[in-house]
Amino acid sequence: GAVVSQHPSRVICKSGTSVKIECRSLDFQATTMFWYRQFPKKSLMLMATSNEGSKATYEQGVEKDKFLINHASLTLSTLTVTSAHPEDSSFYICSAERQGWNTEAFFGQGTRLTVV
Amino acid sequence: EDQVTQSPEALRLQEGESSSLNCSYTVSGLRGLFWYRQDPGKGPEFLFTLYSAGEEKEKERLKATLTKKESFLHITAPKPEDSATYLCAVLIAGGTSYGKLTFGQGTILTVHP
Repeated sequence: GAVVSQHPSRVICKSGTSVKIECRSLDFQATTMFWYRQFPKKSLMLMATSNEGSKATYEQGVEKDKFLINHASLTLSTLTVTSAHPEDSSFYICSAERQGWNTEAFFGQGTRLTVV
Repeated sequence: EDQVTQSPEALRLQEGESSSLNCSYTVSGLRGLFWYRQDPGKGPEFLFTLYSAGEEKEKERLKATLTKKESFLHITAPKPEDSATYLCAVLIAGGTSYGKLTFGQGTILTVHP
């Protein structure tokens, strides 16, 4: 399968600071990437769809100003959690869309964010 | 409203005891159904994509099938290393040319030696 790399895998930050998470497609170009959030023992919740060269599309209830998404190139999308608070602590996962005969989505390894 | 429901929530098997996981869906405009495996603290690992009713795919001890209302993930003679959370996701139209993946809540599989 295709490789999607997410960095960092774990981050601890102080309340009020901002954290940037990177998602890279290593062996294919991804026009579209997706950002998910996962709570303990729960499934993945789509936060936003990131499109290269244009604004991200956010799901209902997701704060655009808190979760800034930038998709500057065909291999990199970033999620910045601004002014983080303890309730933002979660597991964040990205996926990248690989277009082809059968378009498929491949996932990064996830980022565990803890806000203290 | 689009819904994806997986059952059971948790499944405990003895090594070698075959079983099936279920994913039922109620969506409009299904474009595909995906199965993923997720280990604790990791991102989902792709297993299968099914696009049409009657389609089947196999990989080692796993076999996925699809009908118009549900999908099954059959596990034959499981081993302890098959223990993981298995996620089902449906691809529906919307958002992008690709669509959106809507996930079920997952089935936690534990295989005891």
